[in-house]
Amino acid sequence: DAGITQSPRHKVTETGTPVTLRCHQTENHRYMYWYRQDPGHGLRLIHYSYGVKDTDKGEVSDGYSVSRSKTEDFLLTLESATSSQTSVYFCAISETGTASSYNEQFFGPGTRLTVL
Amino acid sequence: DQQVKQNSPSLSVQEGRISILNCDYTNSMFDYFLWYKKYPAEGPTFLISISSIKDKNEDGRFTVFLNKSAKHLSLHIVPSQPGDSAVYFCAASVSSGDKLTFGTGTRLAVRP
Repeated sequence: DAGITQSPRHKVTETGTPVTLRCHQTENHRYMYWYRQDPGHGLRLIHYSYGVKDTDKGEVSDGYSVSRSKTEDFLLTLESATSSQTSVYFCAISETGTASSYNEQFFGPGTRLTVL
Repeated sequence: DQQVKQNSPSLSVQEGRISILNCDYTNSMFDYFLWYKKYPAEGPTFLISISSIKDKNEDGRFTVFLNKSAKHLSLHIVPSQPGDSAVYFCAASVSSGDKLTFGTGTRLAVRP
């Protein structure tokens, strides 16, 4: 199994509070991704990183920010959580950015976030 | 705009029979396709993939078929086993790009 951990695994918070989710990898992979999974929508990309301090937006980036100060850590921050951000959040890593039979994305176990 | 669609949210199959999961896409730039499997409370795991230069890729009980003219791919599982019960996501990518676009998923239940 790829060495990816996410913390916390579960969190309940209130509307308007800031929340930071952490993804940590031990694989030294260059690319890291944050997705959210919601019923009827599948997995949607929030933000991704292609190197330390290099990040870009995905399809559902509004209300989220990310930071990557070290290869192994990718943080997702909800500056002011809303109920629409209740979801399961997955981090993924890949060695390079190009999808191929030699480069799959490996996913972490997920963080279940509930915003009341 | 859902560029990758899985129109069947669920599928139930008897153990030993074939499971066929379908996926359609709209972006003609997609040239690499993947299937991921997800168990409850776990992250998705890679199952099988296919490049657009092929129309079939097989790995044990799992075969993926690609019909580029119809923009359609399917995953066949033969024979189906109870342990195959999971949510299956198809995903697509432009091979020169760095992002995957996922479908909405199909929940497969294999009945003993």
